[in-house]
Amino acid sequence: QKEVEQDPGPLSVPEGAIVSLNCTYSNSAFQYFMWYRQYSRKGPELLMYTYSSGNKEDGRFTAQVDKSSKYISLFIRDSQPSDSATYLCAILSGYALNFGKGTSLLVTP
Amino acid sequence: DVKVTQSSRYLVKRTGEKVFLECVQDMDHENMFWYRQDPGLGLRLIYFSYDVKMKEKGDIPEGYSVSREKKERFSLILESASTNQTSMYLCASTSRREGGYEQYFGPGTRLTVT
Repeated sequence: QKEVEQDPGPLSVPEGAIVSLNCTYSNSAFQYFMWYRQYSRKGPELLMYTYSSGNKEDGRFTAQVDKSSKYISLFIRDSQPSDSATYLCAILSGYALNFGKGTSLLVTP
Repeated sequence: DVKVTQSSRYLVKRTGEKVFLECVQDMDHENMFWYRQDPGLGLRLIYFSYDVKMKEKGDIPEGYSVSREKKERFSLILESASTNQTSMYLCASTSRREGGYEQYFGPGTRLTVT
């Protein structure tokens, strides 16, 4: 079983919708959980990270970790066309990150 | 606002050639990484380094080697390029700083081996 699983999508939503992106992971020892955004032909950009369980909010973005079910989520409120990108979850294991395969999001005007 | 740079955005090489990909970061980060990204496979770790002259194999090190002679520079070497090494190569650097975790990726090098 891959350590981090993520539905590749694509996910298409209308502008203004709330977007929910999700990942599951297998190793309960993981502590740092990250979300990246990657635009076409660019490197991934770290959006947010959380340590251990709970929620973290940054503007329109909320990251949530449920360690009991090994589930992490990224919520985007009031989605904009500029949010159209691939979103990758990642989990820090020692020095290295284990990435999900990414979910492609399209926000239509 | 330069953080992580990679020597080339696009590279075309022939099978059997030796290929060098360079990565430089200007944030004094301890840790540096090389990933490759392929459609349907996501990001896969090739090698990483947590200090000068230190290196660790990632998930797919076969066919690659690395060099870290200076803290700011991490090189990926394809000793004899093959067509299955055609991919997007991404360098990253990280550091755990007081108050959190920093990480940046470079813009990527799209390598085509013919």
